[in-house]
Amino acid sequence: GDSVTQTEGLVTLTEGLPVMLNCTYQTIYSNPFLFWYVQHLNESPRLLLKSFTDNKRTEHQGFHATLHKSSSSFHLQKSSAQLSDSALYYCALSDRWTQVVGQLTFGRGTRLQVYA
Amino acid sequence: DAGVTQTPRHEVAEKGQTIILKCEPVSGHNDLFWYRQTKIQGLELLSYFRSKSLMEDGGAFKDRFKAEMLNSSFSTLKIQPTEPKDSAVYLCASSLARDNSGNTLYFGEGSRLIVV
Repeated sequence: GDSVTQTEGLVTLTEGLPVMLNCTYQTIYSNPFLFWYVQHLNESPRLLLKSFTDNKRTEHQGFHATLHKSSSSFHLQKSSAQLSDSALYYCALSDRWTQVVGQLTFGRGTRLQVYA
Repeated sequence: DAGVTQTPRHEVAEKGQTIILKCEPVSGHNDLFWYRQTKIQGLELLSYFRSKSLMEDGGAFKDRFKAEMLNSSFSTLKIQPTEPKDSAVYLCASSLARDNSGNTLYFGEGSRLIVV
């Protein structure tokens, strides 16, 4: 079956340093759709960004990610961490052809904690 | 527009009790998901409905977990009988299935269940 592997556990950073959260996937889909969801404390997860285009950078709210089908990766990056980026981040995978399957396969989540 | 509404927000149950969690999806959405969220396992899919039809029943959760979608605007998740290991946050999410767009999930605020 499909699977998503993320950076395990907790990532701690000092404010101002770059952020990189790893996400790799395995799938039978030839047209995978990759997502990053973010969940702040006491809130529900919400979409941060998504992509299905190979080798094209996708950006939102200062974060960016590029889907690389050759390496099955969709790492989340930001040039400079802010305190408000502290949250739980989920990488997720689905099939682009959503008529058949609408569900996502989620990774286990990576908690990012940014310190002053 | 109203988002996904879940009730109750908090529930404390004794072992062996039956509990019912409720969800109202975003109006017009045709995909509905129930997830269980824990720190160890992250987001685990319990059930997935498309246009009220059950598409995925969560495999390992079959025996004591039953989700129903009585109409397009209301779903329930019944846990019977509850066990302490069921203590978790239960998230309902909905999306609008469209061709090639990559469904964005909209999550409710969750129902936090504690089983003692």
